[in-house]
Formats: sequence, C-alpha cells, structure tokens
Amino acid sequence: EAGVVQSPRYKIIEKKQPVAFWCNPISGHNTLYWYRQNLGQGPELLIRYENEEAVDDSQLPKDRFSAERLKGVDSTLKIQPAELGDSAVYLCASSRPGGDQPYEQYFGPGTRLTVT
Amino acid sequence: SQQGEEDPQALSIQEGENATMNCSYKTSINNLQWYRQNSGRGLVHLILIRSNEREKHSGRLRVTLDTSKKSSSLLITASRAADTASYFCAKVTSYDKVIFGPGTSLSVIP
Repeated sequence: EAGVVQSPRYKIIEKKQPVAFWCNPISGHNTLYWYRQNLGQGPELLIRYENEEAVDDSQLPKDRFSAERLKGVDSTLKIQPAELGDSAVYLCASSRPGGDQPYEQYFGPGTRLTVT
Repeated sequence: SQQGEEDPQALSIQEGENATMNCSYKTSINNLQWYRQNSGRGLVHLILIRSNEREKHSGRLRVTLDTSKKSSSLLITASRAADTASYFCAKVTSYDKVIFGPGTSLSVIP
C-alpha cells in the first residue's frame, strides 16, 4: 500500500511569510496527526483528527497555526505568519481505525521548514 | 516533564552486541509504542505493548513493560550497523494523548 505522502519536502521562507504543508494519509486511515520535531528532540503533537473532527489540538499555537481536514482525507497545516522559532520538521502520520486506543502510526517523510 | 525520560540519550555499541534503551513515564497509559527514526527520515513503528501486557517480541526486538515502575525497555539483540538510528517511545495516556519522549540515539559500529 502507498505510504503517507507529504509535500513539500523542503521549504525555505522569510519570517512573517505564510507557509502551508499538505498531507495525504494511507487510504482507509481515519486518524491523522500533525507533529513538529525540533532537531534532537522527539515529535511534539500539534493536532489529531478523527475523520474531520479535531479531537486534540491542545498543543497547536492557535494564534498563528491552523489546520483543516476536509472530507476526512487530506489535511493541510498552515502557519501565518512564520517566526524564526518555527524552523523544524513537520511530520504527518495516520493510523487505522479499530479498537478504542490510538493505534500504531504510519509516518510520512516530513517537511523540513527553514525560516530565515 | 510530561514526556518522561528516555535513557540513555546516546548509546554506542559494537556490531553483534545487545542494545537496551529505557523509557519512563508519569501518567497512566493505555499502551506504549516504540519507533525508529533513521537520519532525515520519518518514524517507523516497531512494537506496541498494551498496559496489561508485560513482554512482547518481534524478531530481534524485545519490549518489556513494568506499570508499577512506570517504565519500559527496548532490547535489540545481535545488533547490526543498519540498526543505527534514533529510537523513541510514545506513551498513549488514558485520555488517548500521544506523548513522545526525547529519544535514544543508537550507533552500531561495524
């Protein structure tokens, strides 16, 4: 099966500019996650979707970050305006339905964002 | 921190040796998952262990869970150079919150 697809793979922007990341999860996976990973650190969850619903966005900086998952498939994460501290790798992951606990996640390759 | 700790932060071993990484947590969990990340790549799921399980095996990997000590260990036996990567544990809390630790960087020297 095809894996989680993310684009772009790399993005360099100047501070105060907007930026958007796109994620296409594995077919049939109804749970989608966005993470931010700083160098040498573990991934930090930004938002988790169950279908179209954002069920955990407690770590999403809502003043500048927004996300959407229309039709419960693809998702977009946006930052506007970007700050120097937003430089990181943004990872998307998905997991399949079943059970009552978050299941193992399949990660995309990530988007490396550099804000100058 | 909410993430708990993983230790060691870095581990360097010779090919053929065993590698053990530890993960501790603070809140109760539903399950705990281990992931591997090669440099510049996404994470790959290795093993999921539920809170009512004590040990699981997958190939050369063995994971243990001690809920009384709120800790888990990942053992890689007969390590290979290809095992060089960062290893992360992810705790899934009773509120279904997913929390990754800071990871252990493993270097296997040929």
